[in-house]
Amino acid sequence: QKEVEQDPGPLSVPEGAIVSLNCTYSNSAFQYFMWYRQYSRKGPELLMYTYSSGNKEDGRFTAQVDKSSKYISLFIRDSQPSDSATYLCACWDSWGKLQFGAGTQVVVTP
Amino acid sequence: EAQVTQNPRYLITVTGKKLTVTCSQNMNHEYMSWYRQDPGLGLRQIYYSMNVEVTDKGDVPEGYKVSRKEKRNFPLILESPSPNQTSLYFCASSSIRQGKGNNEQFFGPGTRLTVL
Repeated sequence: QKEVEQDPGPLSVPEGAIVSLNCTYSNSAFQYFMWYRQYSRKGPELLMYTYSSGNKEDGRFTAQVDKSSKYISLFIRDSQPSDSATYLCACWDSWGKLQFGAGTQVVVTP
Repeated sequence: EAQVTQNPRYLITVTGKKLTVTCSQNMNHEYMSWYRQDPGLGLRQIYYSMNVEVTDKGDVPEGYKVSRKEKRNFPLILESPSPNQTSLYFCASSSIRQGKGNNEQFFGPGTRLTVL
């Protein structure tokens, strides 16, 4: 069983809607949680980086971490067609092991 | 420009022919890592290195070797490639200093490998 589970989608939403993405993890050693965005034929790029439980906002993006239930979320407000991409959650244990979810493909339709 | 470079970007080879994919970063990062990305499986860590001469296995190390003789370089070696190693490979690097944002992993552009 994978240590980080993520629904692969695809998730299709109309422009302007809120995109809701989530992952669950099983390894209590994970301390850092990240969301990456990956466009087709490109390497992943970091969107959000969190350490503790709670919410973190950056523009239209909000990341949530609930360590008690091992659940992480990413919300994208006022979604745009340019947000169409694959979003990957990642968990890091600070000893070097980084685990990615399978990635969720998001399609924002005009 | 701060970046991670990989070469080659595309490679088609045959079973059993040794190959090396190079990775280099110019950000003085301690941490470097290799991943493979396959449809439906996401990114899986092959090997990682916390510093020079220190390497550790990730989730899928079988069939791969790495070395970290210099801080900036982290080559991935396939001694005897097989078709199941056909994949998209990414190299990444990051600082390991504690602190906000310091641990962001910077990814290279990817190497698409096909083993016939």
